[in-house]
Amino acid sequence: GDSVTQTEGLVTLTEGLPVMLNCTYQTIYSNPFLFWYVHYLNESPRLLLKSSTDNKRTEHQGFHATLHKSSSSFHLQKSSAQLSDSALYYCALSDRGTNTGKLTFGDGTVLTVKP
Amino acid sequence: EAAVTQSPRNKVTVTGGNVTLSCRQTNSHNYMYWYRQDTGHGLRLIHYSYGAGNLQIGDVPDGYKATRTTQEDFFLLLELASPSQTSLYFCASSDAGGAANERLFFGHGTKLSVL
Repeated sequence: GDSVTQTEGLVTLTEGLPVMLNCTYQTIYSNPFLFWYVHYLNESPRLLLKSSTDNKRTEHQGFHATLHKSSSSFHLQKSSAQLSDSALYYCALSDRGTNTGKLTFGDGTVLTVKP
Repeated sequence: EAAVTQSPRNKVTVTGGNVTLSCRQTNSHNYMYWYRQDTGHGLRLIHYSYGAGNLQIGDVPDGYKATRTTQEDFFLLLELASPSQTSLYFCASSDAGGAANERLFFGHGTKLSVL
């Protein structure tokens, strides 16, 4: 079945430094849809950005990611971390091959930004 | 913005107890989902539904039942709760009709403790 791997469980950064959260995936479907969701403490998880287009950068709220089908990756990046970026980040893969609307989530990466 | 409301927000029960978690969405979405969130495991799908009366098994269904009574309402039932079911539960909805709409809208979560 589908799977999503986020290699870092916890990332701690100093404010102002660049952010990169890794995400790789496995699927038999040739046209996957990849998502990043962000979960701030005491809030609901919500969509940060999404893509299904190979090699096209997608951006939202200062974050960006590019889907690379050749390496099955969808890493999340930001040029300069802010204290308010501290949250739990999930990479997810859509099971559109079976049209169920299901998402497969990675284990999540906790990003902590310190002054 | 889509609205998904979960109740209760917090629940404590004892081993063997009977628990019902409720979820209501008011956006006419077809799909509804129940996830549990655990450290190191991310968001895992328990059950989902694509309409009233429909139920689909997710990835971690053991020990859980679910029922979709209307398009708006989706319930998760734990008939013999166990300590391993202590978790943060999220309900979500989506209108999985096409790529542009493939976005999950989450509730605020229900924190369940089984003693």
